[in-house]
Amino acid sequence: RKEVEQDPGPFNVPEGATVAFNCTYSNSASQSFFWYRQDCRKEPKLLMSVYSSGNEDGRFTAQLNRASQYISLLIRDSKLSDSATYLCVVGLFSGGYNKLIFGAGTRLAVHP
Amino acid sequence: NAGVTQTPKFRVLKTGQSMTLLCAQDMNHEYMYWYRQDPGMGLRLIHYSVGEGTTAKGEVPDGYNVSRLKKQNFLLGLESAAPSQTSVYFCASTPRGAPRETQYFGPGTRLLVL
Repeated sequence: RKEVEQDPGPFNVPEGATVAFNCTYSNSASQSFFWYRQDCRKEPKLLMSVYSSGNEDGRFTAQLNRASQYISLLIRDSKLSDSATYLCVVGLFSGGYNKLIFGAGTRLAVHP
Repeated sequence: NAGVTQTPKFRVLKTGQSMTLLCAQDMNHEYMYWYRQDPGMGLRLIHYSVGEGTTAKGEVPDGYNVSRLKKQNFLLGLESAAPSQTSVYFCASTPRGAPRETQYFGPGTRLLVL
């Protein structure tokens, strides 16, 4: 079983749509949670951190449910420029160091 | 300020050949990392360094060696390349005091081993 699991997609949505991605993680000792964005053939970039209280950054809302070990990302009013792969990332201290565990990503394609 | 750069951008190797991937950062970051990214899998940590002269193994270190002789450079070596090492390699760095989760990634090196 993968430590961080995501639906690979692709999610094909029209401009202006609301789309939600989910992610589950297996290690209950996980301490921190993030969403990264990766454009095609580019490097990953931090999109936002995820907190139990939920957090919002413009059109993006992230939620964490520790009891269910579940993380979500909601994108409202999708733009063409939102087309990318979204990586769910979990941080924990394991093997003697702080490590990041990356999901394989969910691909989003926003069309006109 | 170039950020994190990687050399080369793309390389084709034959099985058994050796090569070195160079990662350079001009942000005076303490921590540096090497990851590989394969289709259908998340990025996996190969080796990392918490400072000049120190390196440590990550999740998938076999077949790779690293060196951090200068703070700004982190080298990843493949002594005898294998087809299983075909991948996209990303370097990342983090400044001291910042959450290690805040990693600045380089643009990647695409490696094909035939």
